[in-house]
Amino acid sequence: QLQLQESGPGLVKPSETLSLSCTVSGGSISSSSSYWAWIRQPPGKSLEWIGSIYYSGITYDNPSLKSRVTISVDTSKNQFSLKLSSVTAADTAVYYCARQGYCSTTNCHFSDYWGQGTLVTVSS
Amino acid sequence: DIVMTQSPDSLAVSLGERATINCNSSQSVLYSSNNRNYLVWYQQKAGQPPKLLIRWASTRESGVPDRFSGSGSGTDFTLTINSLQAEDVAVYYCQQYYRNPQTFGQGTKLEIK
Repeated sequence: QLQLQESGPGLVKPSETLSLSCTVSGGSISSSSSYWAWIRQPPGKSLEWIGSIYYSGITYDNPSLKSRVTISVDTSKNQFSLKLSSVTAADTAVYYCARQGYCSTTNCHFSDYWGQGTLVTVSS
Repeated sequence: DIVMTQSPDSLAVSLGERATINCNSSQSVLYSSNNRNYLVWYQQKAGQPPKLLIRWASTRESGVPDRFSGSGSGTDFTLTINSLQAEDVAVYYCQQYYRNPQTFGQGTKLEIK
């Protein structure tokens, strides 16, 4: 059974860079049929797709965040990561990593496996 | 971006009764070449990640009780929960994956009356 686990600091100062990792277990991050996504959810609000990555390093981004987002993959560690720069209080959210079955420049599919999520608070 | 709008925002239904949640997309999410609607429904219980219930608007995931059903096409979709159980208390989200960025509805909170 595929499992994903987010890790990283729970508190980030304004204007700094948020950094999270997601470790995949129970399957290979290099699977040809998997894409790996970051999704966030501000407290009490809905969900927002941040972006997705394929094991080859190809990324698919949400234009609303694109200039601040870097998603990378480390196949040797079965991990992928998120960096979000110049954070503000509006970036306070639970950040989820997830698996998607398909992505293209046109569309990325839904998430069928999710991590438990990690709350990141932006505050001085 | 495709805007997803759910109604109602919250809903209270008696145990054993039916709950109906609607989702409208600002443009069609029906892909004509394969006649598939690129829409899913998730269930999110308090403190948990979303759980995928239905894909392609009407295909129930393995292990999801058959009291959950999805319907609709184009821009208007419905999640129906028949014979509501206590464990169905959750927030329900629709999501389109027809066009990037994938977008979610604002959520519908389902409670027991």
